[in-house]
Amino acid sequence: QVTLRESGPALMQPSQTLTLTCSFSGFSLLTSGVGVGWVRQPPGKALEWLALIYSDDDKRYNPSLENRLTITKDTSSNLVVLTISNLQPVDTGTYYCGRRIVGDYVDVWGKGTTVSVSS
Amino acid sequence: EVLLTQSPGPLSVSPGERITLSCRASHHIASALAWYQQRPGQAPRLLIYYASIRATGIPTRFSGGGSGTEFTLTISSLQSEDSAVYYCQEYNDWPPLFGGGTKVEIK
Repeated sequence: QVTLRESGPALMQPSQTLTLTCSFSGFSLLTSGVGVGWVRQPPGKALEWLALIYSDDDKRYNPSLENRLTITKDTSSNLVVLTISNLQPVDTGTYYCGRRIVGDYVDVWGKGTTVSVSS
Repeated sequence: EVLLTQSPGPLSVSPGERITLSCRASHHIASALAWYQQRPGQAPRLLIYYASIRATGIPTRFSGGGSGTEFTLTISSLQSEDSAVYYCQEYNDWPPLFGGGTKVEIK
């Protein structure tokens, strides 16, 4: 069974750096073509792709936030970590990680972790 | 950058009805389109990928169609658990983009 679970702090202050961890099971990031991505959703709003890391360590970032995002993987521990620097209140929302297997869509989602950015 | 426009606006429909949701892309995206269902307070769930392929475990009352710039998600015989927001997402290019969603309420 494929599962993913996000973890991270619930409350952050502006200008801080957020570190989110996605722990997964039921698949391997060593499998060709597989990836793990991050999608966020501000309260009451639509979804937005942030970043994706592939099995070959190729990384993609949303250009609208590219200079603030870093995605890494630890295949031995089945973890993917996303950092977002210089947080602002507009970064408040729910952050999801998910698996990518064929195209850049998510076939299995984590439950999400909620982050609030406020002074 | 591709823009995705979803229609209609919020729907309030009765159980057993059939509805068709639309997703229009500003540029040709072949069949690189997915549909997701997001129930209140839950994560999205993949329904359809490559425009018309039903994801594992998705009931047959959900069907997708279209290619190029016009796509549809049809839900036949709506059930109470279908109350949700439905998003389309294109993955023809990076970054993948989501539509704004269509909210479906079951009366």
